[in-house]
Amino acid sequence: DGGITQSPKYLFRKEGQNVTLSCEQNLNHDAMYWYRQDPGQGLRLIYYSQIVNDFQKGDIAEGYSVSREKKESFPLTVTSAQKNPTAFYLCASSIEGGGGVDTQYFGPGTRLTVL
Amino acid sequence: GQNIDQPTEMTATEGAIVQINCTYQTSGFNGLFWYQQHAGEAPTFLSYNVLDGLEEKGRFSSFLSRSKGYSYLLLKELQMKDSASYLCAVRDSNYQLIWGAGTKLIIKP
Repeated sequence: DGGITQSPKYLFRKEGQNVTLSCEQNLNHDAMYWYRQDPGQGLRLIYYSQIVNDFQKGDIAEGYSVSREKKESFPLTVTSAQKNPTAFYLCASSIEGGGGVDTQYFGPGTRLTVL
Repeated sequence: GQNIDQPTEMTATEGAIVQINCTYQTSGFNGLFWYQQHAGEAPTFLSYNVLDGLEEKGRFSSFLSRSKGYSYLLLKELQMKDSASYLCAVRDSNYQLIWGAGTKLIIKP
C-alpha cells in the first residue's frame, strides 16, 4: 500500500530539548512538505522540498530544521529555539510541487506537546 | 496580505444539503482545493477547481468564481460520517497553498 507515514503519533518533550519528527512516503513523489496546525488557524507551511538535497523555508521556518537526503524521507527537527512548539504537525507529499492538479497527500500527523 | 475566509462552524441535519463558502484574496491564483479533516486525523483531498464553474463528484460538488474570489463546497444527502472540518486552500502565484482555518460541520440526526 502506498502512502505517507509519520511517527510517532504523540510526542512529549521537555523545554530546551530538540526533537525529530519522522516522515516517510512510498508514493514516489518528488515534493514533500511540513505544516503546522494550531486550533482556529489554517495550516502553516514550515518547510518544503521539491527534490532531493534541496529544500526551502516556508512562512514559519524559524526554530525548525529539515533534511532531504532521500526521496522517501523528509524529517523535521523542532529545536529549542522554537518558542511555541506545541502543535499538530502534518507532513504531505505531491508528485512535483508544481501546478495543475498536483494534489498534496497527508500523513496521519504527529501531535507534539512540550511539557 | 493573503487571506482565506470560511465560516468557523455550521450545523446541518442528516439527509439535508449544506453549502460551505470560501472567499479568498491571494497573490495570484493557480487553483483552489477542498479537503476534509476528521478530528485528530489528516486532511483528505475532496476537490480541485481552477476554471469557473461547478465540479461534481458524487454527493460533493465544488464551485468557483475567480472574478469574485469565491468558492463553495456543496454536500448533499448528508450522513453522520460527514461531520468533520472542511478546509479551503488556494494555490498562489508561488505555487504554495494558502489555507483557510476550516469550517467545522456538525451533523444532527
